[in-house]
Amino acid sequence: GAVVSQHPSRVICKSGTSVKIECRSLDFQATTMFWYRQFPKQSLMLMATSNEGSKATYEQGVEKDKFLINHASLTLSTLTVTSAHPEDSSFYICSAPHGGGRAYEQYFGPGTRLTVT
Amino acid sequence: QKEVEQNSGPLSVPEGAIASLNCTYSDRGSQSFFWYRQYSGKSPELIMFIYSNGDKEDGRFTAQLNKASQYVSLLIRDSQPSDSATYLCAVRRFQGAQKLVFGQGTRLTINP
Repeated sequence: GAVVSQHPSRVICKSGTSVKIECRSLDFQATTMFWYRQFPKQSLMLMATSNEGSKATYEQGVEKDKFLINHASLTLSTLTVTSAHPEDSSFYICSAPHGGGRAYEQYFGPGTRLTVT
Repeated sequence: QKEVEQNSGPLSVPEGAIASLNCTYSDRGSQSFFWYRQYSGKSPELIMFIYSNGDKEDGRFTAQLNKASQYVSLLIRDSQPSDSATYLCAVRRFQGAQKLVFGQGTRLTINP
């Protein structure tokens, strides 16, 4: 299957600082990528849809000024958690769709574990 | 009613038996259906997808789709302890949709 990478895999930051997470599609172009958050023992929660060349679309209840998304190219989307607080500690996962029609699949990156102290 | 529903489990199955995971969805027009496996602390991994009524087999995995009843299931034959994970059902609501709608996942434990 297609490969999606994320960087960093783990990050620890102090409260009040900002953290940037990168998501790359390695062997295909992705005009759309998705950002999810997952707390321990809970289900995936879609945060936003990242669109290359235009603004991201945020899900209800997700603060767009806190979670900045930039889809800089056809292979890179970044999520910046601004002024992070301990409650933002979570597992952040990106995904990218690949193929169209009945060949559509969606692949996940390996995730980034954020700990805010 | 949630768009995609799964029994959260845990579902315990003895090693070597068939594990059966079920998922129902509310949007009758949904087009494609996906099963992901997620190990603890890892991101989801695509197992298989199905879009036509009936069965689709891939190794020890069989996906079953019944659009009339709006359910999709995943059977795992000859279950192994390494199959212990959370299984996520996801639905693509229409042909051009980019987004998948996920169920909350079923936690499966295979007992040696």
